[in-house]
Amino acid sequence: GAVVSQHPSRVICKSGTSVKIECRSLDFQATTMFWYRQFPKQSLMLMATSNEGSKATYEQGVEKDKFLINHASLTLSTLTVTSAHPEDSSFYICSAEIAGSYNEQFFGPGTRLTVL
Amino acid sequence: AQSVTQLDSQVPVFEEAPVELRCNYSSSVSVYLFWYVQYPNQGLQLLLKYLSGSTLVKGINGFEAEFNKSQTSFHLRKPSVHISDTAEYFCASSGGTSYGKLTFGQGTILTVHP
Repeated sequence: GAVVSQHPSRVICKSGTSVKIECRSLDFQATTMFWYRQFPKQSLMLMATSNEGSKATYEQGVEKDKFLINHASLTLSTLTVTSAHPEDSSFYICSAEIAGSYNEQFFGPGTRLTVL
Repeated sequence: AQSVTQLDSQVPVFEEAPVELRCNYSSSVSVYLFWYVQYPNQGLQLLLKYLSGSTLVKGINGFEAEFNKSQTSFHLRKPSVHISDTAEYFCASSGGTSYGKLTFGQGTILTVHP
């Protein structure tokens, strides 16, 4: 089946530093990838939609300068949390959509970010 | 805008009992509906989806769901649950003006007791 990986699975960083999270589709090409964040005991909230070779589309209220998204290839998207603060601590999950398959999203295992 | 409402935040049930997790959606146009399961500290796994056709959808792990357009519901059911079904379940929708984007419900924590 379609597999999506994320790296790292957990990261702890100091306030003010930047953290990069990678999302890879291992066995398929993904023209579109999505980034979500999930606070404890809450649902997933879409942050942005990432299309290969173009700028990401951010949801309302998500700071594009703080959450930098790059989708350089059909199998890799990265999310960089710049100048992280404790309130950015969350569970970040990516998903990838198979090219040509409407709404068939496959989710990565998530990255737990803790900002001290 | 689409919205998805999961009516129960927590559902406790005994092993081998049947279970129903409720989900209602709101949309003025055709939607696609999904159920996902999330185990602790993991991503989401697709249980089943409704795109079109038969309103009764069968998924993995013995789960099924029925699309009811008149009641705008997509309830998830399993006739006999196992301890291993303990997890959080999310209902989601996409389609219409939210092309390609999933809108998630609040989630339902299913706890199966021995």
